[in-house]
Amino acid sequence: NAGVTQTPKFQVLKTGQSMTLQCAQDMNHEYMSWYRQDPGMGLRLIHYSVGAGITDQGEVPNGYNVSRSTTEDFPLRLLSAAPSQTSVYFCASIYSGTTNTEAFFGQGTRLTVV
Amino acid sequence: SQKIEQNSEALNIQEGKTATLTCNYTNYSPAYLQWYRQDPGRGPVFLLLIRENEKEKRKERLKVTFDTTLKQSLFHVTASQPADSATYLCALDSGGYNKLIFGAGTRLAVHP
Repeated sequence: NAGVTQTPKFQVLKTGQSMTLQCAQDMNHEYMSWYRQDPGMGLRLIHYSVGAGITDQGEVPNGYNVSRSTTEDFPLRLLSAAPSQTSVYFCASIYSGTTNTEAFFGQGTRLTVV
Repeated sequence: SQKIEQNSEALNIQEGKTATLTCNYTNYSPAYLQWYRQDPGRGPVFLLLIRENEKEKRKERLKVTFDTTLKQSLFHVTASQPADSATYLCALDSGGYNKLIFGAGTRLAVHP
């Protein structure tokens, strides 16, 4: 059982380049989210999804796009990379049941924009 | 504005003592609050969830309290061990649909 798989683990981009961070989960969870983590800032929500075909903005959505065509996949697209987007990105898949709600995180993608 | 605040200063304690971490929030009315552990270079790992109608929750050496009047949760690690050293994050459901918002985390260092 792989859980949440993020690729790549590391990436260096030049300013203005675009790229897609991949996230896949095999737990059949409806809810998925993307966060960025910067020193001293904690995890900040970029976009989230409550199911296939449904996405919404989080706290810091500018410069990022998402789509959710299947339950399993939730890719994050950087449209035109900027140095301010240098960060560690985490994808989360959220189990929501009657007695518990729990987020499962991927191992993260460390992105550097030069 | 809406905020979740955790003490940004690291908490240093001696092995065997109880560590207490604080999470305060403003302008949220969460149905639940969660605590996660994060080790360097890793994603957060879920520890405990406490609902708005619960005052206290325990799991092994961990205890969480939730005071919706004070808008505060306390996270206790009893009989602390060096292996408990990590950053601890609180999170809450910011408006339904499991839209989880996190605090910045507090680093706990347990010294032998």
